[in-house]
Amino acid sequence: DVKVTQSSRYLVKRTGEKVFLECVQDMDHENMFWYRQDPGLGLRLIYFSYDVKMKEKGDIPEGYSVSREKKERFSLILESASTNQTSMYLCASSFASDSHTGELFFGEGSRLTVL
Amino acid sequence: GQNIDQPTEMTATEGAIVQINCTYQTSGFNGLFWYQQHAGEAPTFLSYNVLDGLEEKGRFSSFLSRSKGYSYLLLKELQMKDSASYLCAVRDSNYQLIWGAGTKLIIKP
Repeated sequence: DVKVTQSSRYLVKRTGEKVFLECVQDMDHENMFWYRQDPGLGLRLIYFSYDVKMKEKGDIPEGYSVSREKKERFSLILESASTNQTSMYLCASSFASDSHTGELFFGEGSRLTVL
Repeated sequence: GQNIDQPTEMTATEGAIVQINCTYQTSGFNGLFWYQQHAGEAPTFLSYNVLDGLEEKGRFSSFLSRSKGYSYLLLKELQMKDSASYLCAVRDSNYQLIWGAGTKLIIKP
């Protein structure tokens, strides 16, 4: 089974702190994604990566950065956390090949509260 | 702009059938996905439609009409464990996923 593991299920941080959210997948997927999920809204894409050391901005990249030094690991960084970044963060991965539907495999999520 | 619409919440009875609708307006179309998400858990893939018609997978079926920008997820023989949110997502011409806000399905005994 595909496994996508996020480092922390629950985090509480203070405004201005630097926050690292780690995500690791074990299926050799080329594509990795970071989303945030808020009540009443669809998933919103923050950043994505189609290859090692490659990153692309999604729909809401402001206030976030990412790092992909290894194929299996995709990290989301909040340089200076703010209260409006309180949310559920979901990491996902998928194959790049055209022979696949491109379905996403999600991690369990990291619920971040910024005080 | 791009938009996915699905009902916010639906209620159904154990053993019954429920249909969750999804309408979309996107820049191009390269497939429609349905995901299931139990409270506090990760979304999991249910179905994928890229051609018009019905795809059946056990108790779950998904239908697509590209000309109408419409899909539905049909759940038969409902079980209590089907209580979850169901997310509709469309892949646009740039192969980016556009997500609906999800439909919370409540199953009553």
